[in-house]
Amino acid sequence: GDSVTQMEGPVTLSEEAFLTINCTYTATGYPSLFWYVQYPGEGLQLLLKATKADDKGSNKGFEATYRKETTSFHLEKGSVQVSDSAVYFCALTDNNDMRFGAGTRLTVKP
Amino acid sequence: NAGVTQTPKFQVLKTGQSMTLQCAQDMNHNSMYWYRQDPGMGLRLIYYSASEGTTDKGEVPNGYNVSRLNKREFSLRLESAAPSQTSVYFCASRRSLAGGQETQYFGPGTRLLVL
Repeated sequence: GDSVTQMEGPVTLSEEAFLTINCTYTATGYPSLFWYVQYPGEGLQLLLKATKADDKGSNKGFEATYRKETTSFHLEKGSVQVSDSAVYFCALTDNNDMRFGAGTRLTVKP
Repeated sequence: NAGVTQTPKFQVLKTGQSMTLQCAQDMNHNSMYWYRQDPGMGLRLIYYSASEGTTDKGEVPNGYNVSRLNKREFSLRLESAAPSQTSVYFCASRRSLAGGQETQYFGPGTRLLVL
């Protein structure tokens, strides 16, 4: 079945560092891809999404490009802030089902 | 709009006890979902409801039952809680089941501890 694999954490960065969180997927069809963020004690919030190959999703300085040839959707941000500390989930959906990666915890230190 | 709301926020149960987790959404969404979140495993789908009056099993349905009470409300019941059901439970909704482009919206979660 469809699945998502994302890099294991935790990831610890200094403020203003560059962030990459890797995400690859396996799917039989043409899924839409998502990044969700979960702040401590809260539910998941949509960060960005891409619905077809070569689409770039972006929000709050984060971006990810849907790469069909490498089945990837890596999350990047050029300069992280302390407020970006959270758990990030890569996910895919192909009609009925949404599959999530295991999550990557990011801690940004001042 | 409150979005997706869940009650309770936190619950402690003894093995064998029963309880119902409540979820409601005010976005007029057709589809609703229950997930559990465990460390290192992401979110796993327990049950979902494509529309009012229908429910279907997800990836990990054993030990749970659901009721789609109306379009707004989707409850999750544990008939006889087990320690393996200790987890954080999230409810989510989406405008429709079909259409993979659509975003799911999540509630704040219910943290359940089974002793």
